[in-house]
Amino acid sequence: KAGVTQTPRYLIKTRGQQVTLSCSPISGHRSVSWYQQTPGQGLQFLFEYFSETQRNKGNFPGRFSGRQFSNSRSEMNVSTLELGDSALYLCASSLARGTAQETQYFGPGTRLLVL
Amino acid sequence: AQKITQTQPGMFVQEKEAVTLDCTYDTSDQSYGLFWYKQPSSGEMIFLIYQGSYDEQNATEGRYSLNFQKARKSANLVISASQLGDSAMYFCAMRAINTGFQKLVFGTGTRLLVSP
Repeated sequence: KAGVTQTPRYLIKTRGQQVTLSCSPISGHRSVSWYQQTPGQGLQFLFEYFSETQRNKGNFPGRFSGRQFSNSRSEMNVSTLELGDSALYLCASSLARGTAQETQYFGPGTRLLVL
Repeated sequence: AQKITQTQPGMFVQEKEAVTLDCTYDTSDQSYGLFWYKQPSSGEMIFLIYQGSYDEQNATEGRYSLNFQKARKSANLVISASQLGDSAMYFCAMRAINTGFQKLVFGTGTRLLVSP
């Protein structure tokens, strides 16, 4: 079974631009979550999508948004990029069946550099 | 609110030795799950092991075992017979189960270096 895939793997943007990152979950997984990883703040939860609906959101400004499509694929968008948005963006998927052990499986991440 | 604390920024171990990575947590949730992930330099987070708050037995997965002490709110990862490929960052994470949400709260991680 194919794992979680993320595209692109690397991205360089300049301040003020916007960026869209894509995530394809493991087949059959219905939940997709996004995390931001930086040296200063560590791993922080951005948001979770389930059945095309955002059902949980972390403490990030409105410049960070996302969506999920009917095939569970997800995109996240960051508008008006700032230098502090430089990070590794990780996507994770899970079955979300409501059981206790809902393991999230992560993709390889997208490394975003904002200049 | 949930909080994960990993007090060891770095650990050093020789090949074939065992190593324990510490993790303590704080939560008001009665039902929660604890996870350990490995992150090599490539960046991908690799799931290692899971422990549920109501599990009476300590979890084991191959060379990985979890020393779960609920009263002390600790969930330490034990890696037996370390291998060179175990060199990586290790993260402890927690999820509240009752909400149904998938959000993981992570600790700051421990960098493990395995030497020959």
